[in-house]
Amino acid sequence: GAVVSQHPSRVICKSGTSVKIECRSLDFQATTMFWYRQFPKQSLMLMATSNEGSKATYEQGVEKDKFLINHASLTLSTLTVTSAHPEDSSFYICSARDVGVNEQFFGPGTRLTVL
Amino acid sequence: SQQGEEDPQALSIQEGENATMNCSYKTSINNLQWYRQNSGRGLVHLILIRSNEREKHSGRLRVTLDTSKKSSSLLITASRAADTASYFCATPSPRGTGRRALTFGSGTRLQVQP
Repeated sequence: GAVVSQHPSRVICKSGTSVKIECRSLDFQATTMFWYRQFPKQSLMLMATSNEGSKATYEQGVEKDKFLINHASLTLSTLTVTSAHPEDSSFYICSARDVGVNEQFFGPGTRLTVL
Repeated sequence: SQQGEEDPQALSIQEGENATMNCSYKTSINNLQWYRQNSGRGLVHLILIRSNEREKHSGRLRVTLDTSKKSSSLLITASRAADTASYFCATPSPRGTGRRALTFGSGTRLQVQP
């Protein structure tokens, strides 16, 4: 089946630094990728929709200047958490939509810990 | 916002017993999916049921869908310790067409005691 990778799988950073997370579709093209955030013992919440070649659309309450999304190619979307703070510590999961089979595939997630 | 609510929030059973998890949603849907997530890991897709289906089976999994009640259930039969995980239902995002994001339920944490 289709595979979506994320890198890094785990990152620890100091407060105030920026962290970039990559989401790649390995064997299909994805014009749309989604970024979700999951706090401990909670469900996944959609943060933003990443659109190849155009601006991302953000969910209500998600700061676009803090969570920068770039979808520069049909196989790669990046999420940059700028000036990270401890409250940004979370599990970030991306998904990519394979339009060829009309299915969505999830990456393995990135655990971000901000000290 | 969460579309789906799940119950129970947590479930602890013995190996060999059946586990039933329920999901309710608010808007009209054309399909509903169930996912599994081991602690701190990514999602594993379990099953998709379409709005014109009432029941679907996959191995030890049985999913039902009642569109009149806007609810679904996931039954795991003959549970195993390896089934210990969180289970989420997910429906297509209700916010307009073409978005195709998923809205997840609150999840059920299943613990299967060996």
